Amino acid sequence: DGGITQSPKYLFRKEGQNVTLSCEQNLNHDAMYWYRQDPGQGLRLIYYSQIVNDFQKGDIAEGYSVSREKKESFPLTVTSAQKNPTAFYLCASSSGMRETQYFGPGTRLLVL
Amino acid sequence: QKEVEQNSGPLSVPEGAIASLNCTYSDRGSQSFFWYRQYSGKSPELIMFIYSNGDKEDGRFTAQLNKASQYVSLLIRDSQPSDSATYLCAVIPVDGGYNKLIFGAGTRLAVHP
Repeated sequence: DGGITQSPKYLFRKEGQNVTLSCEQNLNHDAMYWYRQDPGQGLRLIYYSQIVNDFQKGDIAEGYSVSREKKESFPLTVTSAQKNPTAFYLCASSSGMRETQYFGPGTRLLVL
Repeated sequence: QKEVEQNSGPLSVPEGAIASLNCTYSDRGSQSFFWYRQYSGKSPELIMFIYSNGDKEDGRFTAQLNKASQYVSLLIRDSQPSDSATYLCAVIPVDGGYNKLIFGAGTRLAVHP
């Protein structure tokens, strides 16, 4: 059963702490993406990766980091430099950069 | 600045009516257009995509694209309460190689019995 999984579903971050959100896909997609969604707003692109070992900053990359060591995995780290991290984080993948994107279930990050 | 604009709503329609959701975009060269549905607290799911001018139908859903006027719309026939959700319009602009999805903020649809 192909799809995109994200974990955890909820994540709590303390001040000054780095946290990592997991995203895994078994769709054999080359491209993967991370978006942030704030209440009542659209999705904003944080980082994207077109192929393994390559990734690019999106529109709001400051305070975030990613890696793409395997085709299936694209973890996102929210660093302590991100001062307003509370949001709904969505991972997506597509077969190519101009193809349809499919989303994982999301991770809701809250600050303690 | 590449933009995708949607009326935030809520758009309220009675059960069985046609719901019409509209979206305008700024990049005239855009070629790929998507509609996603997002239930409260859930992730977006793809409803339809459209690439060519005109209409594209899939069950109760019809996407309409007018590139000259730079708008794309989604019609939902025989609206059901289960259609109540936020509908996101997304566009891939073609401008200097920027080939990533740009999302609108979404239109909230409420279908009442």
